[in-house]
Amino acid sequence: DAMVIQNPRYQVTQFGKPVTLSCSQTLNHNVMYWYQQKSSQAPKLLFHYYDKDFNNEADTPDNFQSRRPNTSFCFLDIRSPGLGDAAMYLCATSREWGPGQETQYFGPGTRLLVL
Amino acid sequence: AQSVTQLGSHVSVSEGALVLLRCNYSSSVPPYLFWYVQYPNQGLQLLLKYTTGATLVKGINGFEAEFKKSETSFHLTKPSAHMSDAAEYFCAVRGGGADGLTFGKGTHLIIQP
Repeated sequence: DAMVIQNPRYQVTQFGKPVTLSCSQTLNHNVMYWYQQKSSQAPKLLFHYYDKDFNNEADTPDNFQSRRPNTSFCFLDIRSPGLGDAAMYLCATSREWGPGQETQYFGPGTRLLVL
Repeated sequence: AQSVTQLGSHVSVSEGALVLLRCNYSSSVPPYLFWYVQYPNQGLQLLLKYTTGATLVKGINGFEAEFKKSETSFHLTKPSAHMSDAAEYFCAVRGGGADGLTFGKGTHLIIQP
């Protein structure tokens, strides 16, 4: 089945130790998004790729970076995780942005724990 | 810019009763509106969406929502609650372009037997 896959589902890292979360999709969608969801809060958009064009939200910390080497894969890099970065990280895709193709499909998320 | 307000962080209904989850939005452009459901430790699943056309939209699991432009609302309803409906529900809005979603803070739906 076509889907959005996130690995791993749970990730434990140490304070200040770089960590990478991965997302892959078999939907062949052009747009990929990363959201951060802290406990009992709404998901918050960090950035998105439209094809290879990277779009960073204004309030996304510099500590967060992303890579999209091809259509199928997108990575979230946290260069120096702090305790406040512990959260669920959600990857989503949409085919395009125009009418009828704007629905975002979410992966199951990766829960990050920072020790 | 867009924003979403969900009234009530927790809503409790009896099994078989009407479910009503409230959502109001603001948007500087004609909005796309969505309801997503999230079960514990899982990602978000789309329930339904409004983009253009008919203002009453039907989704999965018996849910529906009505877009009321004059009230800037997009409330979610279900005639008869089921125990499996217990989850977190998020209303979201999106403007034009390849923008991400702006989510409300979520409503935790509790179903009492």
